[in-house]
This record gives sequence, C-alpha cells and structure tokens, in this order.
Amino acid sequence: GNSVTQMEGPVTLSEEAFLTINCTYTATGYPSLFWYVQYPGEGLQLLLKATKADDKGSNKGFEATYRKETTSFHLEKGSVQVSDSAVYFCALRNTGNQFYFGTGTSLTVIP
Amino acid sequence: GAVVSQHPSWVICKSGTSVKIECRSLDFQATTMFWYRQFPKQSLMLMATSNEGSKATYEQGVEKDKFLINHASLTLSTLTVTSAHPEDSSFYICSASSPQVGRFQETQYFGPGTRLLVL
Repeated sequence: GNSVTQMEGPVTLSEEAFLTINCTYTATGYPSLFWYVQYPGEGLQLLLKATKADDKGSNKGFEATYRKETTSFHLEKGSVQVSDSAVYFCALRNTGNQFYFGTGTSLTVIP
Repeated sequence: GAVVSQHPSWVICKSGTSVKIECRSLDFQATTMFWYRQFPKQSLMLMATSNEGSKATYEQGVEKDKFLINHASLTLSTLTVTSAHPEDSSFYICSASSPQVGRFQETQYFGPGTRLLVL
C-alpha cells in the first residue's frame, strides 16, 4: 500500500538553526513526492516537489531529495526564520493521482 | 495562478441540518477535485475523489450518503454534509488538480478550508 511517515513534532528551533524534518514513504510503483506547508490560519501550500529518484526539489531555502534507495524525502533548511513557523506535511502522489499525507510536523522558530 | 477557494470559510449549524460547502478553482479548470477532512493536530484524511461529470469515488469508511459530492463543472465541486451531527464537526479541505494540463500535472492546489461546527 501507500503511506507516508514523518517525524513527530512539535519542533522548536532558534532562528538561524538548521532544520531537518524526516519523511519516509512506502508506495507501489514510482510516486511523486511533495512537501506542503500550512501557515497558521491558512490552507496548505505546495512548498516543493520531486517527481523521480534523485530529483531535488527546492523553494524558499528549503530542499528535499528523492531517495529511492532509502525511500526518503527529508526536508532541510540551512537557516530557519521566525516566518518559517508552520506545519509541514510530507505527501506522495501515486500513479492513480491519489495523495497520501503524513501526519504533519509543527515547527516553531523562536527569535 | 492556481487559486482554489472555498465557501463558506466557517459555518455553525444545528444537529440534523444539512450544510453545503463549495470548492472553486478560480483560474484553471480542475478535472479532478479532492475532499479531505482534517482533525486537530492530525493529517489530512482523503474522503473522496471527484472527476468532473462522473460520480465521486469514496474512500473506505466514508459514507457516501452522508457526504454528498457533486462535481458539475470544471471549476466547481460541492460537498454536502447531510443531517449533520456533532461528530461531523471538523475542518474540511478541498483541492483541485488537472493532470492533463501543463504545470498542474501531479500537483494538487488546496483551498483554505471550511471549519464546520455542529451544535
């Protein structure tokens, strides 16, 4: 079956700290992988995506690499800001265009 | 581009009444729309997938007679919670995609969600 597992939060970091949010998946076939972000009071927004193995998605200083050998898509950012405080969801899209989401990881960045 | 709206943004209703939630893709034609339910501090749970002009496909455990979905046009899908009860209180989110069209391939664009409170 298809599923996504991401690290549980909440995560609290100081400004300019390094961020890693782990995400692993199980899927049949060759899924596309996504990170979505949900800022307080807003809907989900696509942060980045990767559609095949070894692709690196990047946006707003965040990046994640599609690792087929470890079935992972970890999200990283070198220096977080207060404005990055949000809930981050890892997701996969299977060949049937269905999305499966992780449980979300809440990130709080303190000044 | 790729804006999806939902209306209403929040609604309070009495137990036993029906509530309709609209989901619109404002600047693209969405061949497929998805309805999710999000519980506090939990992930999105896919309820159903609807393709324009055809019946929705419901996920296991989702009552199709309870959650009526209509996708009458390429820009509008509606979710009607029939005979709502307090346990139906939740955050309902729709998303839209258009797998056949350029940059919308493989990506869902989400509405801001509708918070439903059933008293």
